[in-house]
Amino acid sequence: GAGVSQSPSNKVTEKGKDVELRCDPISGHTALYWYRQRLGQGLEFLIYFQGNSAPDKSGLPSDRFSAERTGESVSTLTIQRTQQEDSAVYLCASSPRTGAYNEQFFGPGTRLTVL
Amino acid sequence: AQSVSQHNHHVILSEAASLELGCNYSYGGTVNLFWYVQYPGQHLQLLLKYFSGDPLVKGIKGFEAEFIKSKFSFNLRKPSVQWSDTAEYFCAVNRGGTASKLTFGTGTRLQVTL
Repeated sequence: GAGVSQSPSNKVTEKGKDVELRCDPISGHTALYWYRQRLGQGLEFLIYFQGNSAPDKSGLPSDRFSAERTGESVSTLTIQRTQQEDSAVYLCASSPRTGAYNEQFFGPGTRLTVL
Repeated sequence: AQSVSQHNHHVILSEAASLELGCNYSYGGTVNLFWYVQYPGQHLQLLLKYFSGDPLVKGIKGFEAEFIKSKFSFNLRKPSVQWSDTAEYFCAVNRGGTASKLTFGTGTRLQVTL
């Protein structure tokens, strides 16, 4: 079946602009996660959704970052007034359920470059 | 806050050499442990995982990892690497129970030469 998809695959934007990143999870997966990977660093957790609600937003680095999810489907991560330090690969993952014992399936990522 | 350390950033091996990649974590409570792999041009995918029981776990493609609780370690091993094992390897941890988010190490880039 289809895996997790993300769009766009690459995004170049100017400092100060807003960007939206999209994630389509695997059909039927109720849990959805956003991570980012900055150059030379590991993946860092941003936020996760159980259905439409976000029980853990602790990884969002500032109030410029927000995310929403419609139904148990598509999620968008929005970064307002982008800064150069926002440049990273943003990865989305989905899982059949939340909880520590469920494998997370990752998408290909969106590479964001802020000039 | 929990953290994960992967001390080998870049490893170069010849085919048929043995591999061991280190992973140490800082959290003292119950943890679940994972190794993910990202082959060139592909998505991150799960290599193996440890939840409980036998501390020696076997994953895909001949990989295994050993959980040593006293050392807070979960090292990845393979007796004989192949060129196709060239990839980036990430160790990850979550706290178990209802906790979902993964904490990742910075990754180890493995290059296998012919």
